[in-house]
Formats: sequence, structure tokens, C-alpha cells
Amino acid sequence: NAGVTQTPKFRVLKTGQSMTLLCAQDMNHEYMYWYRQDPGMGLRLIHYSVGEGTTAKGEVPDGYNVSRLKKQNFLLGLESAAPSQTSVYFCASSPAQGRRNQPQHFGDGTRLSIL
Amino acid sequence: EDQVTQSPEALRLQEGESSSLNCSYTVSGLRGLFWYRQDPGKGPEFLFTLYSAGEEKEKERLKATLTKKESFLHITAPKPEDSATYLCAVQSGYGGATNKLIFGTGTLLAVQP
Repeated sequence: NAGVTQTPKFRVLKTGQSMTLLCAQDMNHEYMYWYRQDPGMGLRLIHYSVGEGTTAKGEVPDGYNVSRLKKQNFLLGLESAAPSQTSVYFCASSPAQGRRNQPQHFGDGTRLSIL
Repeated sequence: EDQVTQSPEALRLQEGESSSLNCSYTVSGLRGLFWYRQDPGKGPEFLFTLYSAGEEKEKERLKATLTKKESFLHITAPKPEDSATYLCAVQSGYGGATNKLIFGTGTLLAVQP
């Protein structure tokens, strides 16, 4: 009954360091998404993937890269962390788009602080 | 531009005091409106999907309704465990094959015993 699992749950980085956030889903969903959530801003889409081997930019993609080498995993990378990337990062997944779209299911987030 | 506005930003209720949360939206062809609940330190948890004006969905003390311009989340006789942030999101018909969502900033609900 895992659903969407994100690792790590917490991380503190120094400016300029790099890291990768991992998202894994066990629901056999086609689509996966990375969001960031900041106070007063709501959830904003960073990157998304509509299938294994495909990725696309969302609303706020700058400073991030992603990869989807396996259907169940979606990785979010920060090449050179900046204080503006301090946020809570959420991964979500959903079935492929249909006539009536199904909801996205979210993980519990990674809380990232950049000093 | 697609936009979602939720009001109020925060709402404090006494246990048993019914109320409604509002989600106003501007979207190019609504494909779906989604309500989520988010507890502190957790990810959003799906509650309802509404697809067309006039549609209603219910779950325990919650009832979601949809018009052409807004959605309401009605909370009847709330309990302290209903305390959470409630998020509204819409999907535009012009999002392509992505199922992308536009989220509001949420309503923080506190129910006092």
C-alpha cells in the first residue's frame, strides 16, 4: 500500500552543492510530476513525464533536471543548489489521460533547505 | 491565463459549526476540478473530482459542488479531525496529453472542540 514514496524526507545543502531527489510509485502509473510548494504560492509544476524515457518542462523548470529511466521512478536533480530552491518538493503520479482524467496521487514530500 | 483563487485563506470554526470554502477559477475549457486535503508535513490527499457544472460529490461531512465559475466545499458539522489545508486544482482542456493541474493556494481550516 505504498503509493508514492519520496526519498530523502529532509535534506540540508550548502549553496552550490548538487543532489538528487528520488520518487518511486508502485501503482503502474504512466504520468509522473515534480512540484514545489512555497508559502503563499501554492503547488507549482517543475517538470513532468508522460512515460518512461520522456520528460518535459513545467511552470518553474530553471535550475532543475529530471530523468525517467524506469516507469516507476522519477528523479529530480539540482546541479548547483541556490537558496531560492529552499522549498518542499512533492512528487505525484497519475494514470494516463483519459476521457475523464483521474486524480494525481502525491508523496509526502522532501523538505530541502539551501544555506 | 488559467487561474485558481481560494477563499478564505484561513477559517476557524467551532466543532459542529457548518461552513463553506470557495474555489473560483478561470480556465480555458475545464476538464476537471479536484479537491485535496493536506495535513501538516504530508502530501495532498485526493478528495473529489468534479467534471461539469451542476455535479456534486459527497464524502462523510464533506460535499463538493461545481458551477461554471466556482466550486464550493461544504463542511457539515465539522470535527477537530477535519482541521487541515484544503487545496483546489483545475485541469485545462488545452493542457494536452499531460493531465497538468493548476493549484490554488489553499484554505487553512481549524476546527476547535
